Amino acid sequence: GAGVSQSPSNKVTEKGKDVELRCDPISGHTALYWYRQSLGQGLEFLIYFQGNSAPDKSGLPSDRFSAERTGGSVSTLTIQRTQQEDSAVYLCASSFTGVSEQYFGPGTRLTVT
Amino acid sequence: GESVGLHLPTLSVQEGDNSIINCAYSNSASDYFIWYKQESGKGPQFIIDIRSNMDKRQGQRVTVLLNKTVKHLSLQIAATQPGDSAVYFCAEIYTGGFKTIFGAGTRLFVKA
Repeated sequence: GAGVSQSPSNKVTEKGKDVELRCDPISGHTALYWYRQSLGQGLEFLIYFQGNSAPDKSGLPSDRFSAERTGGSVSTLTIQRTQQEDSAVYLCASSFTGVSEQYFGPGTRLTVT
Repeated sequence: GESVGLHLPTLSVQEGDNSIINCAYSNSASDYFIWYKQESGKGPQFIIDIRSNMDKRQGQRVTVLLNKTVKHLSLQIAATQPGDSAVYFCAEIYTGGFKTIFGAGTRLFVKA
């Protein structure tokens, strides 16, 4: 079946602009995660959605970052007033439950100039 | 705190040798552990998992060992191949809380 998809694959934006990153999880997966990965580094947890529960936003680095998940499926990560330090690969993952293996999308590479 | 944003340690091995990648996890309450492999330009992929009621689990060419006493996890790769070159991450989950914490990752280089 289809895996996790993310769009766009690459995004170049000017400092100060807003960006939206999209994630389509695997159908039937109740849990969805967003991570950030800077070049050559590990995964930084951003936000976690589980079913209809309130999301765990504890990893969001600032109030410029927000995410929503509509209808328990597609998720959008929004970064307002982008800064150069926001440049990274943003990875989305979904899992059948919150405690099973995560399936990752290919990521969106964001470059803020 | 969570293990994020650290420069990756590197392991270099000869093709055909066995590789051992280590991970120290942070939460003594974590009861489910996963190893992921990330190749360049791709998202992480599941390799093998283990629950806290086990101390060893074997897959195809891979073995995961869990030592809860010292909060240590290791991944052993037998007969390492060039295709095994990647970054390897351990992940810990506390199933009562559902949050996944990823380790900093180890870069594996396989020399032909």
